[in-house]
Amino acid sequence: QSVLTQPPSASGTPGQRVTISCSGSSSNIGSNTVNWYQQLPGTAPKLLIYSNNQRPSGVPDRFSGSKSGTSASLAISGLQSEDEADYYCAAWDDSLNVWVFGGGTKLTVL
Amino acid sequence: QVQLQESGPGLVKPSQTLSLTCTVSGGSISSGGYYWSWIRQHPGKGLEWIGYIYYSGSTYYNPSLKSRVTISVDTSKNQFSLKLSSVTAADTAVYYCARGHADYWGQGTLVTVSS
Repeated sequence: QSVLTQPPSASGTPGQRVTISCSGSSSNIGSNTVNWYQQLPGTAPKLLIYSNNQRPSGVPDRFSGSKSGTSASLAISGLQSEDEADYYCAAWDDSLNVWVFGGGTKLTVL
Repeated sequence: QVQLQESGPGLVKPSQTLSLTCTVSGGSISSGGYYWSWIRQHPGKGLEWIGYIYYSGSTYYNPSLKSRVTISVDTSKNQFSLKLSSVTAADTAVYYCARGHADYWGQGTLVTVSS
């Protein structure tokens, strides 16, 4: 299993707000910043959030990130059908000396 | 806009060495400030960091793969490369190159290990 723990699935209806959690430990999320990636079906992942809560240029402000202690969250407001994708969190782990990813959360827009 | 493109054989025999190259355009590897990464994704699974290299040649590898991995850089061609030795079917995956902690990604290339 992954060092960072994400729920395997999440869902919501168009317009809703959905949050995806990412749980780690003091050696990863607790001491380093978190990135979030979106992977649409059949495509490469895309950076969605970096440094816990920063959006790269071009990412809608419907996407937001936060971190508290050893956990992080990705929130998507005003859910749209095109948000249906896999979402991954990632952080450096100081104990393992590895950049670790969560197992991914498959978001379904109902 | 930085773009990355992976290239290399899509089929590798067991026990042989997987070799991939990532060509970077829209920015220079040697301009500094970034590591250049390799990441893989097993079919239907999550992401696994393989390692990264700085333009100077400094490398960091995933300990679980370290004994089999070599990442190198050719600044004259604006490329960096991955070699993974003694491959098995468990190394079948889509291999991505990326900048740093993956603000830019290549499209990925599927490498199948099979005789």
